[in-house]
Amino acid sequence: EVQLVQSGAEVKKPGESLKISCKGSGYSFTSYWIGWVRQMPGKGLEWMGIIYPGDSDTRYSPSFQGQVTISADKSTSTAYLQWSSLKASDTAMYFCARVVGPTMYYFDYWGQGTLVTVSS
Amino acid sequence: DIQMTQSPSTLSASVGDRVTITCRASQSVSRWLAWYQQKPGKAPKLLIYKASSLESGVPSRFSGSGSGTEFTLTISSLQPDDFATYYCQQYKTYSITFGQGTRLEIK
Repeated sequence: EVQLVQSGAEVKKPGESLKISCKGSGYSFTSYWIGWVRQMPGKGLEWMGIIYPGDSDTRYSPSFQGQVTISADKSTSTAYLQWSSLKASDTAMYFCARVVGPTMYYFDYWGQGTLVTVSS
Repeated sequence: DIQMTQSPSTLSASVGDRVTITCRASQSVSRWLAWYQQKPGKAPKLLIYKASSLESGVPSRFSGSGSGTEFTLTISSLQPDDFATYYCQQYKTYSITFGQGTRLEIK
């Protein structure tokens, strides 16, 4: 069974750093792109970027380029999303999701989401 | 970026109704379009891909159609479990974009 299990909720202060995780199981982790999607409170879905764990090829949405870093560790089948300096506007639910296939950039399996709250 | 616009933003309907949600793209995305259902506090769930292909396990009352810039998601007979928010997503390239969502609420 394909599963993506994300790390737990985080409460941080502005300016702090953060790295959240998404662990894949039940499939070949290195053979599928993984994407990250933001959902701000009461708002819609925003694509942040994708990574191919096989070779760490990473693509970012222009809206998030330079704001976050996406990475992956093949040895632990885990993808990461990190911030070096959080802002209050980073408060949101973050989902990871598996991309169906090369050139088929839609998502068939999703993590449960990680709620990030940034407040002083 | 390709912009995706859904209409309506909110739709009120009753159990048993047939409902249609529209998604328009700012340029042609061929048939590279997916639909998702999201319930409060949960991850989105894939319903339709390639504009009209039903994801395995999704009830047949859901259907999708369209190509180019205009797409529709139809629910043939609403069930209580269908009240949720629906999103379209284009994947013509890796630079994907979602529609703003359509909230389907009970009338």
